[in-house]
Amino acid sequence: QVHLVESGGGVVQPGRSLRLSCAASGFTFRNYGMHWVRQAPGKGLEWVAVISYDGSDKYYADSVKGRFTISRDNSKNTLYLQMNSLRGEDTAVYYCAKDRWELHGAFDYWGQGTLVTVSS
Amino acid sequence: DILLTQSPGTLSLSPGERATLSCRAIQSISSNYLAWYQQKPGQAPRLLIYGASSRAAGIPDRFSGSGSGTDFTLTISRLEPEDFAVYYCQQHGYSPWTFGQGTKVEIK
Repeated sequence: QVHLVESGGGVVQPGRSLRLSCAASGFTFRNYGMHWVRQAPGKGLEWVAVISYDGSDKYYADSVKGRFTISRDNSKNTLYLQMNSLRGEDTAVYYCAKDRWELHGAFDYWGQGTLVTVSS
Repeated sequence: DILLTQSPGTLSLSPGERATLSCRAIQSISSNYLAWYQQKPGQAPRLLIYGASSRAAGIPDRFSGSGSGTDFTLTISRLEPEDFAVYYCQQHGYSPWTFGQGTKVEIK
């Protein structure tokens, strides 16, 4: 079955960087778009970024544009989120999620999430 | 950005009752691009409904979705104890992808 496992979260100081990974299994990774979604403590869901099945299209939320970069390695079935210039408001659980399609499908599988805490 | 507004914010009901959750978009969206998710405390969201009315794999038929244009509804016909959770609508057809703020269905 489909498994998505995030890693790389932790406590980081404001202004520093962190890279999240999402290891995928149980499906043909290279055929599907992939997303990052975050949830601040006690808050709702916020979409962060998406990458198309082949990496040719990427879109970002305005709140992270220019600071975060989404990428993927289809040979390793892994999704990444490089987060630079981190701010306190980036504190959240970060989920990776599989798109049902190449880019504009609903999110049919989610990882368990990894917590990022930005604090001095 | 396509703002999605969910109502009510909280729904207090008893097991066995019917739950009706609303999601309203600031502009018309294709039904193909409207989804509903369920999230329980400490868990990742789970896809319930895609394409406004199609149930995802393994979702019981007490969950149904309807609507078009700017108004969409998630209905739970008879609440089971495991259905008390937070529900989010989402549009996934236009960048940026957006979620509603959520409706909490709590036990009365």
